Amino acid sequence: QSALTQPASVSGSPGQSITISCTGNYKFFSDYNYVSWYQQHPGKAPKLMIYDVNKRPSGVSDRFSGSKSGNTASLTISGLQAEDEADYYCTSLKTNSIWVFGGGTKVTVL
Amino acid sequence: EVQLVQSGAEVKKPGESLKISCKASGNSFNTYWIGWVRQMPGKGLEWMGIIYPLYSETKYSPSFQGQVTISADMSITTAYLQWSSLKASDTGMYYCATPSDSNDSGPFHHWGQGTLVTVSS
Repeated sequence: QSALTQPASVSGSPGQSITISCTGNYKFFSDYNYVSWYQQHPGKAPKLMIYDVNKRPSGVSDRFSGSKSGNTASLTISGLQAEDEADYYCTSLKTNSIWVFGGGTKVTVL
Repeated sequence: EVQLVQSGAEVKKPGESLKISCKASGNSFNTYWIGWVRQMPGKGLEWMGIIYPLYSETKYSPSFQGQVTISADMSITTAYLQWSSLKASDTGMYYCATPSDSNDSGPFHHWGQGTLVTVSS
């Protein structure tokens, strides 16, 4: 049982928007903005898409956005494209310098 | 640009020891946390632990504490992940990764290509 809970799968049609949730029931998650999101395509290393809840690293499309309210963080993908089909993982600081991943969400583009 | 290059795939037997490596370039290795992430076949990412090379300070996930050892050699800007006695359940892909800001323990902006470890009798 991961400390961060994500839905196993989310799907959408090209051009639509989808949202992936990530729920964490511990103090660091709700009280601080240490939530990040990774994208992983099959056979590839993960790629950081969002950090500090809603910041995008250089080079990441602005179709990806993040938010957090209370103990739930969200990743929204707007204008869904075929290349967005991948696994997505949330992560958060759990305690002093120790992080934890969510179980992952498989995004399918219909 | 930060680059992390990991050692090659390994095939080992249960009970054997193993040390895999991750060579960093493009940053001030000593003052950047560098971590390890496991991905078992068909499963999700698991945060294992991190090291701050300058002080050899390590932090481990409770799930991996006592199961693996993370170390670093500043002279060759290389981090290591080692096992003293492998189990079949250690089979998986292991990634090293590092944040973009020194002194931050995460998140991981830069990733190695992964090292596949297979443990089978």
